[in-house]
Amino acid sequence: GAVVSQHPSWVICKSGTSVKIECRSLDFQATTMFWYRQFPKQSLMLMATSNEGSKATYEQGVEKDKFLINHASLTLSTLTVTSAHPEDSSFYICSATGQGADEQFFGPGTRLTVL
Amino acid sequence: SQKIEQNSEALNIQEGKTATLTCNYTNYSPAYLQWYRQDPGRGPVFLLLIRENEKEKRKERLKVTFDTTLKQSLFHITASQPADSATYLCALDEAAGNKLTFGGGTRVLVKP
Repeated sequence: GAVVSQHPSWVICKSGTSVKIECRSLDFQATTMFWYRQFPKQSLMLMATSNEGSKATYEQGVEKDKFLINHASLTLSTLTVTSAHPEDSSFYICSATGQGADEQFFGPGTRLTVL
Repeated sequence: SQKIEQNSEALNIQEGKTATLTCNYTNYSPAYLQWYRQDPGRGPVFLLLIRENEKEKRKERLKVTFDTTLKQSLFHITASQPADSATYLCALDEAAGNKLTFGGGTRVLVKP
């Protein structure tokens, strides 16, 4: 149980375009989903927390207008990187947690490369 | 905010030996602490969670201890195998909302 998927697993896009990444909890209802970013040889940095049906809460320094997060259902959250630039190239990972649970279950990640 | 320190140097260990990893934090003691395994190019995989009122937790060949006086958690892999080679991350909750702060991770390489 507790499987989280992400799509796509990798994406290459041109500078200035937008990219949408999906995060799904496959076998449980995710009341809260988290989006992280990980640069090479660094640890995970939390970008934002999203609760189903509510606006996402962004960490300090993360532009909410650039990284649009939608959590429309208990099994799906999306992250849209708008007007992507090469410095947005990174490994984006989502995680999900169920009601009353402390453990977070992570997706396999999405490798974004902006040319 | 919480600062978490893990040994950034890779840990090279012979198969069959016990690997011990350290996670130190600087500020308040979290309600719980978690350990994850991460393989290259993959998302973290949850291993163990230990709460502030627990001293030790075990799962198969894994053992975690939590010392709130020392502000430290130790993570042990007993009878290590080459398949245990990965980066191990510790993460602490930020007191509310299940937000986690991750340490930098320690890479473990188990040699046959």
